[in-house]
Amino acid sequence: AQSVTQLDSQVPVFEEAPVELRCNYSSSVSVYLFWYVQYPNQGLQLLLKYLSGSTLVKGINGFEAEFNKSQTSFHLRKPSVHISDTAEYFCAVSDRPGGGNKLTFGTGTQLKVEL
Amino acid sequence: DAGVTQSPTHLIKTRGQHVTLRCSPISGHKSVSWYQQVLGQGPQFIFQYYEKEERGRGNFPDRFSARQFPNYSSELNVNALLLGDSALYLCASSLLAGGRETQYFGPGTRLLVL
Repeated sequence: AQSVTQLDSQVPVFEEAPVELRCNYSSSVSVYLFWYVQYPNQGLQLLLKYLSGSTLVKGINGFEAEFNKSQTSFHLRKPSVHISDTAEYFCAVSDRPGGGNKLTFGTGTQLKVEL
Repeated sequence: DAGVTQSPTHLIKTRGQHVTLRCSPISGHKSVSWYQQVLGQGPQFIFQYYEKEERGRGNFPDRFSARQFPNYSSELNVNALLLGDSALYLCASSLLAGGRETQYFGPGTRLLVL
């Protein structure tokens, strides 16, 4: 079974500072990895995804993530955060039960950007 | 283009009642998945439907059921509501049902069971 671990439940950071949100996964099959962002009282918005190819993936809003197979990690980074980046961030791995596509999510990391 | 839409946005029910949540996928998408997000946790997979057939079921009791209609919209039904069913219910659609497919989420229905 797939699983995702987000070790940091909260990450405070000052505006314009860099940030890294950590994600580790376990999977016995081919890995498809996703980062979603959830703003207060909203649904989930896709930030970026890794399906294959280059291990460095660029997403929206200046975010990027690096797939590291040996360390089973998919950490999310941004070189300079903005107040508007304050949100909950979820890492997810895709599974294929019965030929479908089920996302298994981590518990989320609350990013709080302060002035 | 319209994204995934869900109705209602908010709902208050009492224990033992039944609830029906609705979801319309992005135009052209044939797969719909349902997730339950309890406050402070990540979403948990409930069901996936593709071309009106169930393609996956999460670890939820039989009180939870779903179906997909010919226009690819979907309903999630929950019977005999419990306090623990209070959560944000998210619907996601994807073009197909493969593991590489990106799922696009709706805004969710917030259910409160009293």
